[in-house]
Amino acid sequence: GAGVSQSPRYKVAKRGQDVALRCDPISGHVSLFWYQQALGQGPEFLTYFQNEAQLDKSGLPSDRFFAERPEGSVSTLKIQRTQQEDSAVYLCASKWGSTETQYFGPGTRLLVL
Amino acid sequence: QKEVEQDPGPLSVPEGAIVSLNCTYSNSAFQYFMWYRQYSRKGPELLMYTYSSGNKEDGRFTAQLNRASQYISLLIRDSKLSDSATYLCAIRSSNTGKLIFGQGTTLQVKP
Repeated sequence: GAGVSQSPRYKVAKRGQDVALRCDPISGHVSLFWYQQALGQGPEFLTYFQNEAQLDKSGLPSDRFFAERPEGSVSTLKIQRTQQEDSAVYLCASKWGSTETQYFGPGTRLLVL
Repeated sequence: QKEVEQDPGPLSVPEGAIVSLNCTYSNSAFQYFMWYRQYSRKGPELLMYTYSSGNKEDGRFTAQLNRASQYISLLIRDSKLSDSATYLCAIRSSNTGKLIFGQGTTLQVKP
């Protein structure tokens, strides 16, 4: 079956623009995570969904970041008024039930000019 | 101090070598410890996870957890060209499954 997919794969935005990043998790996976990975660093947690409920958003760096998963499958991470420091790879991961394995998508590479 | 510390390398070894990658962590309450591998421009993929002190082996890979000293390591035996990647240690820090990652160690295996 298909893995986690993300779109777009690459996004260039001018500073101040809004962007929306999409994640399609593996079908049936209840848990969905967003991570931000800066160049040369490990991924950093942003937010977590269980079905449509956003249970943890402690990693969102500012109120310019917003995530949703309205029907419990596809998720969108939105960044408003992008800044240069938002340039990073945004990774989405999903997992089934209480298993430990998180399956990661290929990421969206965001460059803010 | 970061919760998970990992030497970024890079590490360069010849094919067939034994490689040891290490991480230390600061919170003794952490429960699950994982090693992810990330190829360039790909998402991380889980290699192994462990939760009890001692060794866990899977083929050429051995994960070692030492709770007393608060470090984890990944041993790769008979390294292959395809092992060239960044290796990330990660810790599950809560019941939600949220992961805390180290910086990653870049490994290059040369012919």
